[in-house]
Formats: sequence, C-alpha cells, structure tokens
Amino acid sequence: QSALTQPPSASGSPGQSVTISCAGSSSDIGAYKYVSWYQQHPGRAPKLIIYEVTGRPSGVPDRFSGSKSGNTASLTVSGLLADDEAIYYCSSYGGNNNYLLFGGGTNLSVL
Amino acid sequence: QVQLVESGGGVVQPGRSLRLSCKGSGFTFKSFGMHWVRQTPGKGLEWLATISFDGSESYYGDSLRGRVTISRDNPGNTLFLHINSLRSDDTAVYYCATGQVPYYWGQGTLVTVSS
Repeated sequence: QSALTQPPSASGSPGQSVTISCAGSSSDIGAYKYVSWYQQHPGRAPKLIIYEVTGRPSGVPDRFSGSKSGNTASLTVSGLLADDEAIYYCSSYGGNNNYLLFGGGTNLSVL
Repeated sequence: QVQLVESGGGVVQPGRSLRLSCKGSGFTFKSFGMHWVRQTPGKGLEWLATISFDGSESYYGDSLRGRVTISRDNPGNTLFLHINSLRSDDTAVYYCATGQVPYYWGQGTLVTVSS
C-alpha cells in the first residue's frame, strides 16, 4: 500500500479537463511545499511535470497545473490530448524519516 | 543536456549482492542530491534512497533498509547503490534521479533476481 493515495484511474475526452487527487497526511503533503507530479508513458522513465506544488519545468505545457489544499494535492490536465494518456504519480517530501513518498499512480485514459 | 545512465543490472541469484552505478553528465554532479527509485513490473514507483550533494547525509526507505547502501563518487560523476541479500521481490527496474526531489531521471536498469 502506497503512502500517498491516488485514484487508480481517471478519464476524459479530448479537449476536456481532468483533475487527479493525491491524499497524504499532515506529516507530508500538509507539512511541506515539496509536492511533485510525474508522467510515465509505457516503457519510458518517469518525467517530472510539476514540482513544489505548482512549478512547471521548462518545456512542460501550461495545460498541466498543480495545487494543494491541506493534506491533499491535485494535478489538473486541461485541453486533454491523446498523448496525455499515461500513468501519473504524485510524490511528496515526508521529512528525514520518510524522505520521499510516492502515490500508487493514476492511469489517465483519453477517450 | 542532463544525462543519467544506469548500469549494473542483469540476472542475479537470490542471496547475492549487486552494485548499481549511475553516471551523470551535462550538469554539475557534485552540486546536487541524488536518488534511487525502483519500479517492479507492472507496479508503481518506490523510493529507495537519497544522498546529499556531498555524500555527508543519506536516507533510506523502509523496503531495503538494512540491505542497501547509497554512495557517490563526485570526481567520477557516479552514483552507486549496493544491495545485499537479494530476493525475488527485488526484481525491478532501478532508476537514478537528480535534484532536491527527483527532477531528471535515467532510463533505468533491469535487475532480475532468479535462480
């Protein structure tokens, strides 16, 4: 069982928006600004798409946005494209005893 | 551009040890923390270990705690992960990554623990 809880699946039609949640606790997501989101296509390494809750690395479209409220973080993908179909993982710093925590991943389907 | 290349994977018998390496290039290796993350077939990501930029601090996840050591050679731009007493459930793709949290990732090296 993963330390952070994500829905196993999500879906949307091309052009629509979808939001993926990531539930943690007051010891991880609720305590720190170091929430990241990763996109992984089959057979590929994970790719960072959101860092420090809302930051976007260079080259990541602004269709991807992150937020946090209390112990839950969220990733919103707007204007869905077929290439957005992938597994999305959230991650949070959890202090020195649980330095890095991952969610179980959400399989996003673009219908 | 930032490149991370893992090596050292392969088929290993249960109970044996293994050392994985990760060679970095395209960035100032000695200035950044480094991480190891693994992914079992068809499963999610699992953080294993993190080491500070200068190697003075290291942190370990519960899954391999006591069986694993992370280390680095800054002059050689290389990160290491040594795993003892390998078990079948250690079969996974092992990734290295750099940044305060994993920012840039390598392509991974597959470790298969089997007799």
